[in-house]
Amino acid sequence: GAVVSQHPSWVICKSGTSVKIECRSLDFQATTMFWYRQFPKQSLMLMATSNEGSKATYEQGVEKDKFLINHASLTLSTLTVTSAHPEDSSFYICSARDPRGLRQFFGPGTRLTVL
Amino acid sequence: GENVEQHPSTLSVQEGDSAVIKCTYSDSASNYFPWYKQELGKRPQLIIDIRSNVGEKKDQRIAVTLNKTAKHFSLHITETQPEDSAVYFCAASGSGNTPLVFGKGTRLSVIA
Repeated sequence: GAVVSQHPSWVICKSGTSVKIECRSLDFQATTMFWYRQFPKQSLMLMATSNEGSKATYEQGVEKDKFLINHASLTLSTLTVTSAHPEDSSFYICSARDPRGLRQFFGPGTRLTVL
Repeated sequence: GENVEQHPSTLSVQEGDSAVIKCTYSDSASNYFPWYKQELGKRPQLIIDIRSNVGEKKDQRIAVTLNKTAKHFSLHITETQPEDSAVYFCAASGSGNTPLVFGKGTRLSVIA
C-alpha cells in the first residue's frame, strides 16, 4: 500500500513556542491530506483538510491562526502549532488518500508534549 | 456533515469466542466504510474495508457487513485471540477527497 511518513515522531516543547510537523506521501502524489488530533483514550478528530496550492479547510472549533497548515507540494503538508500550550499536547496524525482508490493511509503520528 | 456512532465502547470476550462491533452513519452519500485497529501510541491500521456496492466482505477471521438501507455496518471477529486485544475504530467517508469520520472506538479485550 501507499506510504505516508510524518516527522518528528515526538516532540517536547515549552509553552509559547511553535512546533512544525511534516507529513509526506512517499510513493504517490496527494492533492489533499488530512490532519487529525487524538487525545488519550479518544477517537481521531479531524482538524483540517489540507489542499495543495490553496487554503486549508478547518473543522468547526479549530483555530486556523493557531494551527497553520501549508500544502506547498503534492507530497508535503505541514502543520504548525503556534504558541503551543499544555492543552495542545496530543497525538497528531496526518493521512492522505491514494488517488487510485478510496483508502486513506496514515502517517505514524507525532506525539506533542507542551510543558 | 457525517456522524458515526459506534457501540459498544468496551468489549471483553473469552479467547476463541466471537466479537461484534456495530456502527451507524448518518450521511447517505457515504460510500466507503473502513475498520481500523489501533495499538497504544501507534497509527490506525486498516484491517478491512467495504464499499457501498457490497453487502459483506470477509478476510480470514474478520468480516464486515453493510446495510445501506439502515445505514449501519458491523465488524465480526471470529475465534478471537489475545493479540486481537486493541482499540477498534469504524469510519465512513464519501467520494472524492472527503475525509474519514471516525466512531469513538471500541476497546476489545480478549481474555485467555
